[in-house]
Amino acid sequence: SQQGEEDPQALSIQEGENATMNCSYKTSINNLQWYRQNSGRGLVHLILIRSNEREKHSGRLRVTLDTSKKSSSLLITASRAADTASYFCATPHSGGGADGLTFGKGTHLIIQP
Amino acid sequence: GAGVSQSPRYKVAKRGQDVALRCDPISGHVSLFWYQQALGQGPEFLTYFQNEAQLDKSGLPSDRFFAERPEGSVSTLKIQRTQQEDSAVYLCASSLGLAGPDTQYFGPGTRLTVL
Repeated sequence: SQQGEEDPQALSIQEGENATMNCSYKTSINNLQWYRQNSGRGLVHLILIRSNEREKHSGRLRVTLDTSKKSSSLLITASRAADTASYFCATPHSGGGADGLTFGKGTHLIIQP
Repeated sequence: GAGVSQSPRYKVAKRGQDVALRCDPISGHVSLFWYQQALGQGPEFLTYFQNEAQLDKSGLPSDRFFAERPEGSVSTLKIQRTQQEDSAVYLCASSLGLAGPDTQYFGPGTRLTVL
């Protein structure tokens, strides 16, 4: 079963625009991660946000976490063609420590040149 | 190489055959994970090792699935009597095994097709 659900399922934008995707989850967590998957580089970790953090930045990425709403968002600013990929949120499978991950179904992002 | 490697990259099996998928984690990584990814879906957790100990196998879909990591490094995922529903990409990941949230590094996957 998959805990996280990304929204939208698919998103197509013009290069240079910002892309926002959302993730909702069901149970309490102590951290949430975002991963990107494309055919060229496989599944790659983007950013981790802990439950006591509300916002985190990494380069063109901005992640927010609202534990009261059990939701997270990923914003990619100034999108590039290379950002075309599927994006997944992932939460701890069980305990929250060094643990397997439960992924959502993903948002498929297409950046139009 | 510096990354996680998996072999074979592609495997075609006839229904009922046994298959073995190999994962070479990043050197020094304590934790190793297996996931199954069906077409158009996110990866689904199968099992987790810390060194040679299999700490969580709650995601294995049936007793036809078996994983081992006997020396705490290379791992093998074995599927016995393969069925068509086993067709998927099998991903292996490794991490340092820190006490707490940890970045997982994924291999390229093995695409299994069961005919």
